[in-house]
Amino acid sequence: GENVEQHPSTLSVQEGDSAVIKCTYSDSASNYFPWYKQELGKGPQLIIDIRSNVGEKKDQRIAVTLNKTAKHFSLHITETQPEDSAVYFCAASGDTGGFKTIFGAGTRLFVKA
Amino acid sequence: ETGVTQSPTHLIKTRGQQVTLRCSSQSGHNTVSWYQQALGQGPQFIFQYYREEENGRGNFPPRFSGLQFPNYSSELNVNALELDDSALYLCASRRGSTNYGYTFGSGTRLTVV
Repeated sequence: GENVEQHPSTLSVQEGDSAVIKCTYSDSASNYFPWYKQELGKGPQLIIDIRSNVGEKKDQRIAVTLNKTAKHFSLHITETQPEDSAVYFCAASGDTGGFKTIFGAGTRLFVKA
Repeated sequence: ETGVTQSPTHLIKTRGQQVTLRCSSQSGHNTVSWYQQALGQGPQFIFQYYREEENGRGNFPPRFSGLQFPNYSSELNVNALELDDSALYLCASRRGSTNYGYTFGSGTRLTVV
């Protein structure tokens, strides 16, 4: 079945450094890849997404890259700030099953001031 | 615009009981999905409704059922509760049948004892 693997499970960086989270997906029919940020006591919040016809997308300090051939996609956060500390989830979905979205297990990011 | 609201926020039930969780979708959203998130894990897809019809389902037993109403609010019902059903239940909505990101509620924390 569909699966999304996410690494690392925990990431600790110094404020101002960059953070990279990597995911792989198994379903070659996946064509939409959102990233969510979840803070304590809240639901996940969409922060950026990328579609399969695009290789890279950037929004201020965050960027996502997609390698369809390798079925890899990554989240890059530059100039990290303490408020970036949260759990980040990658996800993948395709055009079947009502566009159901499969999530990775999450990466807990700590940004040390 | 209002976001996704869920009720109750917390709930404690006894094994074998039944529970109903409620969700009010974001204004203008006619698609709703329910997810189960165990502690330290990513959200697991339960099912999705589009215009009151179920159009996608994950690997959950039939004792997990749902409804979507004409105003696009929805319910998740779980019968014969088991200890492993203890989790955060997230409702997420989006507009239309195209594939893009969800708006999540803050969830209902269900504890089964």
